[in-house]
Amino acid sequence: EAQVTQNPRYLITVTGKKLTVTCSQNMNHEYMSWYRQDPGLGLRQIYYSMNVEVTDKGDVPEGYKVSRKEKRNFPLILESPSPNQTSLYFCASISQWGHKNTEAFFGQGTRLTVV
Amino acid sequence: AQSVSQHNHHVILSEAASLELGCNYSYGGTVNLFWYVQYPGQHLQLLLKYFSGDPLVKGIKGFEAEFIKSKFSFNLRKPSVQWSDTAEYFCAVNESRNAGNMLTFGGGTRLMVKP
Repeated sequence: EAQVTQNPRYLITVTGKKLTVTCSQNMNHEYMSWYRQDPGLGLRQIYYSMNVEVTDKGDVPEGYKVSRKEKRNFPLILESPSPNQTSLYFCASISQWGHKNTEAFFGQGTRLTVV
Repeated sequence: AQSVSQHNHHVILSEAASLELGCNYSYGGTVNLFWYVQYPGQHLQLLLKYFSGDPLVKGIKGFEAEFIKSKFSFNLRKPSVQWSDTAEYFCAVNESRNAGNMLTFGGGTRLMVKP
């Protein structure tokens, strides 16, 4: 079954304590992306990756890092979380970008609260 | 940069009413267009997409959308909504000229269907 798996689903942490949200896909997709979802703002792209070792900033990259050492994994790293990073985060994996079969598959989401 | 506008943030309908959710985007070139649905507590799921060809696109669960290039619009419609359609709906656009630029989402429309 095609899946994008994010962990953890819920996380409460304190300001400044480094954390990593993992994302893994089993579809061999080259393109992966991280979004944050905030009320009234929709999903905003944080970072994306076109392939292994290729990452680029999205619309709201400040305070985040990513890595893409292997095709299936695309972790999101918050080196020093702040309360304004409290949000719902989604990882997406995209098939055959720019093609009629293009589709984004989303993980279940990670609800992060920074106090 | 691409922007996507969903003008209705909240819509309340009774069962069997007709639905139309607006979506407008800013880019004037070739685009791929998507509607996603997010049921309460769940991740985003693809409803339908437009890549090329017939501008009237039919999706799952009786939804359809019409791409009107001259109006930069991709409105979502359903002739008769059900209580189970209560969810948040997101329009998303990709500029097909730039494979590195992922989906840009609108702010979302929260639909509540009263039984």
